[in-house]
Amino acid sequence: DSGVTQTPKHLITATGQRVTLRCSPRSGDLSVYWYQQSLDQGLQFLIQYYNGEERAKGNILERFSAQQFPDLHSELNLSSLELGDSALYFCASSRRGAPGYGYTFGSGTRLTVV
Amino acid sequence: AQSVTQLGSHVSVSEGALVLLRCNYSSSVPPYLFWYVQYPNQGLQLLLKYTSAATLVKGINGFEAEFKKSETSFHLTKPSAHMSDAAEYFCAVSPDSSYKLIFGSGTRLLVRP
Repeated sequence: DSGVTQTPKHLITATGQRVTLRCSPRSGDLSVYWYQQSLDQGLQFLIQYYNGEERAKGNILERFSAQQFPDLHSELNLSSLELGDSALYFCASSRRGAPGYGYTFGSGTRLTVV
Repeated sequence: AQSVTQLGSHVSVSEGALVLLRCNYSSSVPPYLFWYVQYPNQGLQLLLKYTSAATLVKGINGFEAEFKKSETSFHLTKPSAHMSDAAEYFCAVSPDSSYKLIFGSGTRLLVRP
């Protein structure tokens, strides 16, 4: 157990739907990162939050949004889902804002859009 | 822009043989460099990281990597492969002025008995 908890582990939904992925960071970590892993794109950085504020944005679609709550857990919202959104979504956390300290990854949420 | 290139999408070695996984980065300034391992149906686990201290970095499970600035490389090695090392390995770089990790495309290590 890495200490980063992601729920649900698996999600199957239809095109056009909206889903929410949840991440609880490791105790004491203030920064949360979201990544998408797919066969064709590899590991793509989506977005980072640090202590409740958005810190960095990557290749995140406008249909996707995220937030970090006061208790530091984070949610990634995916809407108007398309078949191409099927992927593994990872959350990672780190103790401070810079990844020089190394990330700790959760085990991911596997999203299947049918 | 920062980037990472992993040479070889698949590497196959015999059990007990040397493991060498190659990673080259592009960076205008010394970056932070990482190696992660991903076992099937699991998340990524940090193997080791370079943060401008010693150029030879030792990680978990007997792995180590050497930062070579002149070659812009950060290759991962292990003297003797074990069956349990079979997994996918990712090299990643963190740009100096950003907080995100940029990952290579990964190398799948196969270990033959």
